Amino acid sequence: QKEVEQDPGPLSVPEGAIVSLNCTYSNSAFQYFMWYRQYSRKGPELLMYTYSSGNKEDGRFTAQVDKSSKYISLFIRDSQPSDSATYLCAMERTDKLIFGTGTRLQVFP
Amino acid sequence: SAVISQKPSRDICQRGTSLTIQCQVDSQVTMMFWYRQQPGQSLTLIATANQGSEATYESGFVIDKFPISRPNLTFSTLTVSNMSPEDSSIYLCSVTGTALTDTQYFGPGTRLTVL
Repeated sequence: QKEVEQDPGPLSVPEGAIVSLNCTYSNSAFQYFMWYRQYSRKGPELLMYTYSSGNKEDGRFTAQVDKSSKYISLFIRDSQPSDSATYLCAMERTDKLIFGTGTRLQVFP
Repeated sequence: SAVISQKPSRDICQRGTSLTIQCQVDSQVTMMFWYRQQPGQSLTLIATANQGSEATYESGFVIDKFPISRPNLTFSTLTVSNMSPEDSSIYLCSVTGTALTDTQYFGPGTRLTVL
């Protein structure tokens, strides 16, 4: 079993839709949870970073962590074509990042 | 956040040859990391490069295949040795930020194709 599971998609939504991206994990040692966005032919860029259960909001993005269920989510409100990218969840334990496979998102006008 | 550059951005190489990838950071950082990103797979950590000491390799990766240098706090190289088509991948370096809550920031990657 992989430590971090993420649905690879692709996920295709119309502009303005609310997008929900999810990851599950099996290792309780994970302390920090991140979402990265990766545009085609670019390196991943950090979107959201959190270490506690609950919600964290940044503009149109909300990161949600449920440690009891070992489940994290990223919500994108009012999605835009510029949000089209691959979204990777990542979790940190002892200075090491473990990534999900990434979910490819396409937002069409 | 740090600004990270990588050279080359892409390359096409013949089987059996070696390629050295460079990673340059615009500020001094303690820890630098090298990752591989294969199509449809997770980003996988190859090794952690610390200045002044041997790199620490993850399970499944060995120094003879992926030698790493870290001569100073702003620069590192990864060599992919004796390449085969299975080494075709994107190779990324990353660094940890300097703030206590900083996580890792990534370079743009090097896209390697081995024929």
